[in-house]
Amino acid sequence: GQQLNQSPQSMFIQEGEDVSMNCTSSSIFNTWLWYKQDPGEGPVLLIALYKAGELTSNGRLTAQFGITRKDSFLNISASIPSDVGIYFCAGNYGGSQGNLIFGKGTKLSVKP
Amino acid sequence: GAGVSQSPSNKVTEKGKDVELRCDPISGHTALYWYRQSLGQGLEFLIYFQGNSAPDKSGLPSDRFSAERTGGSVSTLTIQRTQQEDSAVYLCASSLVARGNTEAFFGQGTRLTVV
Repeated sequence: GQQLNQSPQSMFIQEGEDVSMNCTSSSIFNTWLWYKQDPGEGPVLLIALYKAGELTSNGRLTAQFGITRKDSFLNISASIPSDVGIYFCAGNYGGSQGNLIFGKGTKLSVKP
Repeated sequence: GAGVSQSPSNKVTEKGKDVELRCDPISGHTALYWYRQSLGQGLEFLIYFQGNSAPDKSGLPSDRFSAERTGGSVSTLTIQRTQQEDSAVYLCASSLVARGNTEAFFGQGTRLTVV
């Protein structure tokens, strides 16, 4: 099925460093969502974006809805060990095409 | 309950048997999604229900897979004649879908192992 291009696939960072990951699509989305998944758990919603250019923060997390509506990024500032996990972006076309399309995920590992 | 509930949490079945996976969405949520996640992989869309509209079945991998949603609430995903490649975590999510809001909330998933 259709998927978003999410990068990087994985990253190792030192505690305290900032992290950036992004998603791109060949199609325009009306909604961008960012999720985090811990082992053995379902994905948990972090941030939802609904307007082109929108910049939204949730604690140390910041995400933006790209102006072209074909991309989004997620930044994590001052990473800590509990940030470890897999981060997924998801897009939604809106209207009758309601299903969410997911990226393949970015696996984040933090060195303590 | 407050969140999306899936049952069973784990299921081991023999190849060739049928299985049913259940999802209880958040009360009042009109949209319900099923995804499949193989080990270390992303989320593969299976099927999407929205209100009384015909479901989007475009992600179902074969005719062995089917899903229904009774009364606009509980959903059951059925896999007939299971194969080893069906082994994965099956995730259900629901969302309100009101005024453009499509924030989906996930259950813990059902881990299916076909032996």
